[in-house]
Amino acid sequence: EVQLVESGGGLAQPGGSLRLSCAASQFTFSSYEMNWFRQAPGKGLEWVSFISASSNTIYYADSVRGRFTISRDNAKNSLYLQMNSLRAEDTAVYYCARGMATGYVGEACDLWGQGTMVTVSS
Amino acid sequence: EIVMTQSPATLSVSPGERATLSCRASQSVGSNLAWYQEKPGQAPRLLFYVASTRATGIPARFRGSGSGTDFTLTISSLQSEDSAMYYCQQYDNWPRTFGQGTKVEIK
Repeated sequence: EVQLVESGGGLAQPGGSLRLSCAASQFTFSSYEMNWFRQAPGKGLEWVSFISASSNTIYYADSVRGRFTISRDNAKNSLYLQMNSLRAEDTAVYYCARGMATGYVGEACDLWGQGTMVTVSS
Repeated sequence: EIVMTQSPATLSVSPGERATLSCRASQSVGSNLAWYQEKPGQAPRLLFYVASTRATGIPARFRGSGSGTDFTLTISSLQSEDSAMYYCQQYDNWPRTFGQGTKVEIK
């Protein structure tokens, strides 16, 4: 089955770190751009970060730039989000999502994982 | 940053009736607009990209339209399974931004 599965969420203290992973299966991961999104409890969707298929192009939301780092390992079919200096406002479900392979950079996302919950609290 | 504004916040529609959701961008995004459906406990599902191209498996009762700054998602004959949150998202500029969502309820 074509799918994305996130892991690595949990409870972190303010100022702490977490590393999220996203495992891709049954598609050619190395051909696709990838994104991280998040959704705080009771709130809407927020784009967090983008990485191109070859990792040459990376973008971040202003709210996480300088604290979060997106990366990927195409040999392992995996996407990562290293989250440092966590704040209470980073509490959210984090989703990885695949950009459609249309040739347009940063295309809409046609495959999403089920999400992993990150809670930042003392 | 492009601000996306959706209206109404909540829409209550009887089964079989039409639902019309609006999305407005603070500046032109061309046709680089996606619609997503989200149900409780589930991941978002892509409905439309480039404003009006239906994603794989999306029923024909869903229609996306618009360009520039004004976009519409129409559900022609609402079914019970269409009860969900609907979000528009622009992907013309960075950062990618979403509207705040429209909740569609079955009356």
